[in-house]
Amino acid sequence: SQKIEQNSEALNIQEGKTATLTCNYTNYSPAYLQWYRQDPGRGPVFLLLIRENEKEKRKERLKVTFDTTLKQSLFHITASQPADSATYLCALGKGSMDTGRRALTFGSGTRLQVQP
Amino acid sequence: EAGVAQSPRYKIIEKRQSVAFWCNPISGHATLYWYQQILGQGPKLLIQFQNNGVVDDSQLPKDRFSAERLKGVDSTLKIQPAKLEDSAVYLCASSLGFSGGSYEQYFGPGTRLTVT
Repeated sequence: SQKIEQNSEALNIQEGKTATLTCNYTNYSPAYLQWYRQDPGRGPVFLLLIRENEKEKRKERLKVTFDTTLKQSLFHITASQPADSATYLCALGKGSMDTGRRALTFGSGTRLQVQP
Repeated sequence: EAGVAQSPRYKIIEKRQSVAFWCNPISGHATLYWYQQILGQGPKLLIQFQNNGVVDDSQLPKDRFSAERLKGVDSTLKIQPAKLEDSAVYLCASSLGFSGGSYEQYFGPGTRLTVT
């Protein structure tokens, strides 16, 4: 069965360091992968999308890599700040232009805590 | 631009009672999703609408859950009768249809349901 694994243990880092979160998957061939941020009591907020034919994507202090051979995505936050503290979810998608399906399967998320 | 609106924000009911949740997506978004997020897990897709048609309801427990999206805008998700295991946050999300080419989803704040 399809499985998406994110580190269930919280990641604690010092302010200014680079945070690296991992998303591993099995029995899945995603067309794209997304990362979302979720704060307590709120819905997820989209951060980045990377397609299966892309190796790396950047947006400001965020960087995502996608290795379809290893079946892994890494999500990096450089120069981390206490405001970056949240749960980060990876989501794998299978897009279908014919049916319009945008089915996303989410991991359980990793909680990041940035200490000042 | 207004975000995805959901109501109510919180609901407490007893098992075997009925409950309904309402969602108003971002204007112009053809695709609407309902997700269930159990504490400590990632969102799980229940149903996806494209305009007012159902695209995917394979994970919707149809014996007790129902959803509709009349006129292709607002949507309602109903649970009847509720079970203890239905306690979760119910998230509504919307995205541009495939003609828009956008894969990112915009989430509402969710409705926290507690079944006692």
